Amino acid sequence: GAGVSQSPSNKVTEKGKDVELRCDPISGHTALYWYRQRLGQGLEFLIYFQGNSAPDKSGLPSDRFSAERTGESVSTLTIQRTQQEDSAVYLCASSLVSQSNQPQHFGDGTRLSIL
Amino acid sequence: AQKITQTQPGMFVQEKEAVTLDCTYDTSDQSYGLFWYKQPSSGEMIFLIYQGSYDEQNATEGRYSLNFQKARKSANLVISASQLGDSAMYFCAMRVGDSNYQLIWGAGTKLIIKP
Repeated sequence: GAGVSQSPSNKVTEKGKDVELRCDPISGHTALYWYRQRLGQGLEFLIYFQGNSAPDKSGLPSDRFSAERTGESVSTLTIQRTQQEDSAVYLCASSLVSQSNQPQHFGDGTRLSIL
Repeated sequence: AQKITQTQPGMFVQEKEAVTLDCTYDTSDQSYGLFWYKQPSSGEMIFLIYQGSYDEQNATEGRYSLNFQKARKSANLVISASQLGDSAMYFCAMRVGDSNYQLIWGAGTKLIIKP
């Protein structure tokens, strides 16, 4: 069955460039989450989408970060004017929110390297 | 403050032995859920087990069980008969309230199984 799909799997770019990361959630999952994971560290929450509600952007580290989601489908995370500290793995997860015991299902992540 | 604490940054365990990974949590909410995830070196996050705050029985999933001690606010993961493939990072996470909104994540424990 189809899980959460993220692309690209790896991205190397120069400092100052913009990058766009894509997440395709599991079909039927209304909730979508973006996380950042720096090397050897835990997960850092970035943003959460639930259906057509306003997203929770409280975890975005700066205004260089933005994300969009159309309905209950694909989401894109955009980082403008990338900095070296943006280097990390960006993980996307989706879940069924209607049941509280439902886990978040993760994609394989995008490994972002800023030169 | 809502918080997850994993006090063991790393553990070495002999193959076939049982292992307990510690997780303590802090919340004043009565309704919450606890999740354990495994992250192998390949990077994917794999859901292992869930325990709801109102669940009377400790959760079990195959070789995984959760030692839930509500009064002590602990939710330790027990892996029986460890295998080499269990070597990974293990994260404990908490959902507070009745929606699978944000998860609060621990810093993780790196488990290495020795042959």
